[in-house]
Amino acid sequence: DQQVKQNSPSLSVQEGRISILNCDYTNSMFDYFLWYKKYPAEGPTFLISISSIKDKNEDGRFTVFLNKSAKHLSLHIVPSQPGDSAVYFCAASGYNAGNMLTFGGGTRLMVKP
Amino acid sequence: DAGVIQSPRHEVTEMGQEVTLRCKPISGHDYLFWYRQTMMRGLELLIYFNNNVPIDDSGMPEDRFSAKMPNASFSTLKIQPSEPRDSAVYFCASSLSYRVKYEQYFGPGTRLTVT
Repeated sequence: DQQVKQNSPSLSVQEGRISILNCDYTNSMFDYFLWYKKYPAEGPTFLISISSIKDKNEDGRFTVFLNKSAKHLSLHIVPSQPGDSAVYFCAASGYNAGNMLTFGGGTRLMVKP
Repeated sequence: DAGVIQSPRHEVTEMGQEVTLRCKPISGHDYLFWYRQTMMRGLELLIYFNNNVPIDDSGMPEDRFSAKMPNASFSTLKIQPSEPRDSAVYFCASSLSYRVKYEQYFGPGTRLTVT
């Protein structure tokens, strides 16, 4: 059973518009969430994170929102740029999980010029 | 810092052969993780080490897979004998337990093809 799900395998957005990537989780013990970005032929790179004590974290064009009651988080990219085209992975961990991360299946974002 | 280093970047081998993947974590990091990425299963954790000691290997698919970390700067993932279904991209990642919580740094991956 997948504990972290990204239900949209792909997303296409026009340059300058907002990109919204979604992630759902089932394990209520998760208390820390991360987004990773992956370009082809490279490893995933850390993008932004959020602790469960917050409901929003911002870093430049990237904002992550957390809705604990719905067990849902989202990544907003505003404005989207062609260089943002990549696969985005949502990941989660919990106090009892050590440094282990559980990843979602990823969403491929394509930003069209 | 050079980041996490993995070798080889690409490996093509025949079914039944032994395959060894190598990883050098970022200096000073005390956690090391091995992941496998496939189209069907996404990014899945195989095994992780803390201070060179294996902590959780529940993700290792079967006895054909083994991993070692003889010292803080080197780890191997071995598949023997290899099978076509082992074809995937294998990532190594490292992290610091006391620094940015849970942030892992990934290597570029090894693309394994078993024919």
